[in-house]
Amino acid sequence: EIVLTQSPGTLSLSPGERATLSCRASQSVNSRYLAWYQQKPGQAPRLLIYGASSRATGIPDRFSGSGSGTDFTLTISRLEPEDFAVYYCQQYGGSPLYTFGQGTTLEIK
Amino acid sequence: EVQLLESGGGLVQPGGSLRLSCAASGFTFTNYVMSWVRQAPGKGLQWVSGIASNGITIAYADSVKGRFTISRDNSKNTLYLQMNSLRAEDTATYYCAQRNGDYAYFAFWGQGTLVTVSS
Repeated sequence: EIVLTQSPGTLSLSPGERATLSCRASQSVNSRYLAWYQQKPGQAPRLLIYGASSRATGIPDRFSGSGSGTDFTLTISRLEPEDFAVYYCQQYGGSPLYTFGQGTTLEIK
Repeated sequence: EVQLLESGGGLVQPGGSLRLSCAASGFTFTNYVMSWVRQAPGKGLQWVSGIASNGITIAYADSVKGRFTISRDNSKNTLYLQMNSLRAEDTATYYCAQRNGDYAYFAFWGQGTLVTVSS
């Protein structure tokens, strides 16, 4: 099983600051199959990034993804008030077919 | 506009059964792999099961294998999850999700339906 470990668990920042979220895999992941989601309270997850670095339709360009192998990063260049949420990484492959990280909570400082 | 509408959640006793449905619209249902993903209260996301567009290739998480059955009716654009022998640890919001074929991400999600397993 490929385990995804996200860090930090909670990130406290102010609007306008830069956020860097990490997702580390227990074994190498095909970057084609690495995605990031945003989830706000009471809502379903929303796709942000797929293929490790491609933005989904309608996602602002302040969101960017990078990485390969076992280390992946989601960066939010300048935080807007609506960006404070929980973020998950997800990979496909192996058993189980899909795994998610445990999430990073981005909170307002 | 893609819409996924889950239904069928509720309160059930341990050992009981429940059938979830997900009505899809706004896209060609028969072209897509579909999945169920759940989220226990206050916890993270867990993939539960997936089914290929033809309904033949199916996969389950180990935690539900032998107890849950995924199926689809392409004539009705509907995805199902039959859940038997339910346990307290199955308590969660269950989302149906459309999977992108090339990159294996979940492009669209329903609003979720809550399943509570408790006596």
